Amino acid sequence: GENVEQHPSTLSVQEGDSAVIKCTYSDSASNYFPWYKQELGKRPQLIIDIRSNVGEKKDQRIAVTLNKTAKHFSLHITETQPEDSAVYFCAASRDLGFQKLVFGTGTRLLVSP
Amino acid sequence: GAVVSQHPSWVICKSGTSVKIECRSLDFQATTMFWYRQFPKQSLMLMATSNEGSKATYEQGVEKDKFLINHASLTLSTLTVTSAHPEDSSFYICSVGGSLNEQFFGPGTRLTVL
Repeated sequence: GENVEQHPSTLSVQEGDSAVIKCTYSDSASNYFPWYKQELGKRPQLIIDIRSNVGEKKDQRIAVTLNKTAKHFSLHITETQPEDSAVYFCAASRDLGFQKLVFGTGTRLLVSP
Repeated sequence: GAVVSQHPSWVICKSGTSVKIECRSLDFQATTMFWYRQFPKQSLMLMATSNEGSKATYEQGVEKDKFLINHASLTLSTLTVTSAHPEDSSFYICSVGGSLNEQFFGPGTRLTVL
């Protein structure tokens, strides 16, 4: 089955810096890769996703890149703000109907003012 | 995305009792819902896939007789934790599958078993 590894487990940056979180996956058939942000005690919220026919996707300060050959994808947050502080999870699944998501272990991002 | 609610948001129960958690899709007819469990400072672990009108599909290691799932309509799935024990204390989250394979999560239910 699919296995998703995520690094780093914790990341501390200063406000305004960029943050990068990386994930690798094992199943070459996976082709849907979402990123979720989870604040303490709250639900995970989808912040961006990418499918295998695209190498990069941007949404304002957030971008995701995908390298299918190397089986890794990354989340990039620019101009970080204190409200970006949260736990971020990557996930992977096959894009066929309602396929289950396999989550990474999470990255705790702390943005200091 | 889909709007998903869960009830209750938190529950405390005694060891040995059963607890039912409801997951509702408020604006989307969900043929498939997912149930996750999340321990403190850990990732989301899929417990089962709930299919409307049929039996749920459980992940390896999840006891189907302990975690009963019923998905009787396109807007409601329920998870019943039977004979709960302290080790079942966790954050239980459901999600609804969207039309493009994305998943939208409910607010979660925090279960504490004394």
